[in-house]
Amino acid sequence: EVQLVESGGGLVQPGGSLRLSCAASGFTFSNYWMSWVRQAPGKGLEWVANIKEDGSEKDYVDMVKGRFTISRDNAKNSVHLQMNSLRAEDTAVYYCARDCRSGCLENWGQGTRVTVSS
Amino acid sequence: DIQMTQSPSTLSASVGDRVTITCRASQSISNYLAWYQQKPGKAPKLLIYRASSLESGVPSRFSGSGSGTDFTLTVSSLQPDDFATYFCQQSDISPKTFGQGTKVEIK
Repeated sequence: EVQLVESGGGLVQPGGSLRLSCAASGFTFSNYWMSWVRQAPGKGLEWVANIKEDGSEKDYVDMVKGRFTISRDNAKNSVHLQMNSLRAEDTAVYYCARDCRSGCLENWGQGTRVTVSS
Repeated sequence: DIQMTQSPSTLSASVGDRVTITCRASQSISNYLAWYQQKPGKAPKLLIYRASSLESGVPSRFSGSGSGTDFTLTVSSLQPDDFATYFCQQSDISPKTFGQGTKVEIK
C-alpha cells in the first residue's frame, strides 16, 4: 500500500523558514516524480513544486521560486520542501503527492499545516 | 499559466441524481486532465486521469470525457458518499493548475 506521511509543519513568523518532509513507503520511490501541493484555509488547491525521479529536474510555481527548494533522498525514500522567506500567504496545508506518468497526482499524504503569522 | 474554470461552483443534488461538472481550460491541454474528490479535512483523491481513465478502485458511476479545452465529470447516480468537493487539474504545461472546485451538496 502506498503511504505518504508529511511532517515538519508548524507556526512560523513572517520571514522565517521551515523544512517539510515526506516519508514514502509501499512503492519504488526512485521511479516516481514527487510533488508538493498546498491548500490555503477554505481555498482551492495549488501545485507548488515537483522533482524528477533522480532529482535532476525541479520545477516550481512562480510564487515560490527563489524562496522554496524541493529535494529528495532516494536512499531514505523521502522528499523535502525547504521554505524560506515565508509570507502570510504561504499559510496552508501542504500535501506531498506522487506524480503519475501523465502528470496527475495519484497518491496523497494527509498533509501538514503551515501557519505564517506574527 | 493555464487557467482552469469549473462550473458550477456549487451544485445541489439528491441521491440518485445524474450530476455533471464542467471544466474549461484557457488553452488546449489535449487530454492531460485529471479529476479529484476532496472531503472536509481530508486529502484529495484521484478519480479520473487522462480525461477519461478511471483510477483503480473508483466506482464506475464516475466517468470523464473531453479533450482540448472542454471536459466533464459525470456521476451517473449520486450516492451519499459522493457529497464532496471536486477539482479538475491540468498537467499538459507547467505549472500544473487546478480548477477552483465544485461543491456537491445535498439538496
